[in-house]
Amino acid sequence: DADVTQTPRNRITKTGKRIMLECSQTKGHDRMYWYRQDPGLGLRLIYYSFDVKDINKGEISDGYSVSRQAQAKFSLSLESAIPNQTALYFCATSDRGRDTEAFFGQGTRLTVV
Amino acid sequence: DAKTTQPPSMDCAEGRAANLPCNHSTISGNEYVYWYRQIHSQGPQYIIHGLKNNETNEMASLIITEDRKSSTLILPHATLRDTAVYYCIVPRPNTGNQFYFGTGTSLTVIP
Repeated sequence: DADVTQTPRNRITKTGKRIMLECSQTKGHDRMYWYRQDPGLGLRLIYYSFDVKDINKGEISDGYSVSRQAQAKFSLSLESAIPNQTALYFCATSDRGRDTEAFFGQGTRLTVV
Repeated sequence: DAKTTQPPSMDCAEGRAANLPCNHSTISGNEYVYWYRQIHSQGPQYIIHGLKNNETNEMASLIITEDRKSSTLILPHATLRDTAVYYCIVPRPNTGNQFYFGTGTSLTVIP
């Protein structure tokens, strides 16, 4: 089983719909992150959380919200999806400290039509 | 914030060493250099990281210049499966392990 699991893996939704992407981890890490990737571009940070009930905005948080329900779970919501939110979304986790690497899920491909 | 500069693309012959450069001239003394790669559209995969000294693991070697303003990731014997986008990252200070990804270097290993 993967250490970082994202669901769903693929989703097509309509403009204006609310959608939630879920991430769960078995690494026991405190820190979790949501990124989006557009074609030909690197990953951009949406939100991150250093612990349960700790939420921080990243580079591109507008139009998104998150919930850290437990140490192992971090959800990303699009309250009213729009077509330019069509992208590949990645969840990641890391341990505390500066000298630790991040572990990524396999991604969720979201298409807003 | 330390930013990184990488060439957009490189080719390497299969079996040869792939040397991927990264410039991070504004790096501060306590910031690490991390390397990740992304194969096709999979989740990025950690390769190696370092602070001052050169590092080696089963995947690669990391050479950091003495002034820490640049580094090179070395894949000693590139295979076709090493074809990927390679990201050099310096996480921002005081923000835990926030990784800000640029566009990286697209490495193509040629048979």
